[in-house]
Amino acid sequence: KAGVTQTPRYLIKTRGQQVTLSCSPISGHRSVSWYQQTPGQGLQFLFEYFSETQRNKGNFPGRFSGRQFSNSRSEMNVSTLELGDSALYLCASSLSAVSSTDTQYFGPGTRLTVL
Amino acid sequence: AQSVTQPDIHITVSEGASLELRCNYSYGATPYLFWYVQSPGQGLQLLLKYFSGDTLVQGIKGFEAEFKRSQSSFNLRKPSVHWSDAAEYFCAVGAALTGGGNKLTFGTGTQLKVEL
Repeated sequence: KAGVTQTPRYLIKTRGQQVTLSCSPISGHRSVSWYQQTPGQGLQFLFEYFSETQRNKGNFPGRFSGRQFSNSRSEMNVSTLELGDSALYLCASSLSAVSSTDTQYFGPGTRLTVL
Repeated sequence: AQSVTQPDIHITVSEGASLELRCNYSYGATPYLFWYVQSPGQGLQLLLKYFSGDTLVQGIKGFEAEFKRSQSSFNLRKPSVHWSDAAEYFCAVGAALTGGGNKLTFGTGTQLKVEL
């Protein structure tokens, strides 16, 4: 079974631009979560989608948004990029995330660099 | 709110030596605990997880972890380290969220270096 895939793997943008990252979950998984990883803040939860609905959101500004499609694929968007948005963005999928015991499986990440 | 502490930022061990990475958690309910490993430029790979039952859990690549409720710890161990184990290791606690679903709260990670 194929794992979580994320595209693109690398992105370079300039301040003020916007960016869209894509995540395809493991087949059959319906929950997709996004995390931001930076050297200073570590791994932080951005948001989680299930059945095309955002169920939960972390403590990030409104410039960070996302959506999920009917096939469970998810995109996240960052508008008006700032230098501090440079990070590795990780997507994780799980079956349903109904239970705390649902295991999250991570993709390879998208490395975003903002110049 | 839940939190995870990994006291060791860097650890260096010789190949063939034993390894123990420390993890302490804070969580009000029954914790669901995970260890993930990250190689440079890669995503996170699940090593093992603890939900309930036997407090000693086995994972992939010869790793194991022991849950100790009295010490709020979930330390990762390996009897004999291989050079390919050099990577960053993250301990995480899973928490149910009000609207359904769950999220992971991660520790700051421990960077493992293996000397040949």
